[in-house]
Amino acid sequence: AQSVTQLDSQVPVFEEAPVELRCNYSSSVSVYLFWYVQYPNQGLQLLLKYLSGSTLVESINGFEAEFNKSQTSFHLRKPSVHISDTAEYFCAVSERGGGFKTIFGAGTRLFVKA
Amino acid sequence: DVKVTQSSRYLVKRTGEKVFLECVQDMDHENMFWYRQDPGLGLRLIYFSYDVKMKEKGDIPEGYSVSREKKERFSLILESASTNQTSMYLCASRTGTSVGTQYFGPGTRLTVL
Repeated sequence: AQSVTQLDSQVPVFEEAPVELRCNYSSSVSVYLFWYVQYPNQGLQLLLKYLSGSTLVESINGFEAEFNKSQTSFHLRKPSVHISDTAEYFCAVSERGGGFKTIFGAGTRLFVKA
Repeated sequence: DVKVTQSSRYLVKRTGEKVFLECVQDMDHENMFWYRQDPGLGLRLIYFSYDVKMKEKGDIPEGYSVSREKKERFSLILESASTNQTSMYLCASRTGTSVGTQYFGPGTRLTVL
């Protein structure tokens, strides 16, 4: 069975500081990995995903995540955050080669302070 | 742009009422999902549908049922609402493979009194 652990429930950070949101997963098969973001009073939207190839993936708004197979991690990073990055971030995993389910982590609430 | 709409943003119902939550997507996606979102628990899958009239139980199906009569519409039904079903309900749709992105609606915040 798959599982996803987001190691921090809340991360407060000052504007323009770097941030890392941690995600670890477990699975007996190969997986696809996703980060979704939920802004206040909205549904989730995809931030970035790892399917195959380069282990470093980037989003259009400056976030990046690196797939580390040996550590079964997919941590999300941004070198300099903005107030507008305040949101809840969810790490998710889907099984390769079939299956319908995506397993979501519990979420990390990022607070960016001025 | 993919659009997933949910019939209500906020809903207040009484214990024992039958509740219908509607979800419509406009991208001809095969898969549709219903989740509930609770603080500290993330998203938990209630039911999903991989085609019209096809459905599978998720992780927490008890107390819920679903209906998918048309490809674009997926309904969640609470047969007899209870206070422990107070939650945020999110609908999502996706193309028919696990590599695909899920597109979410804005959510329905249901309060059962």
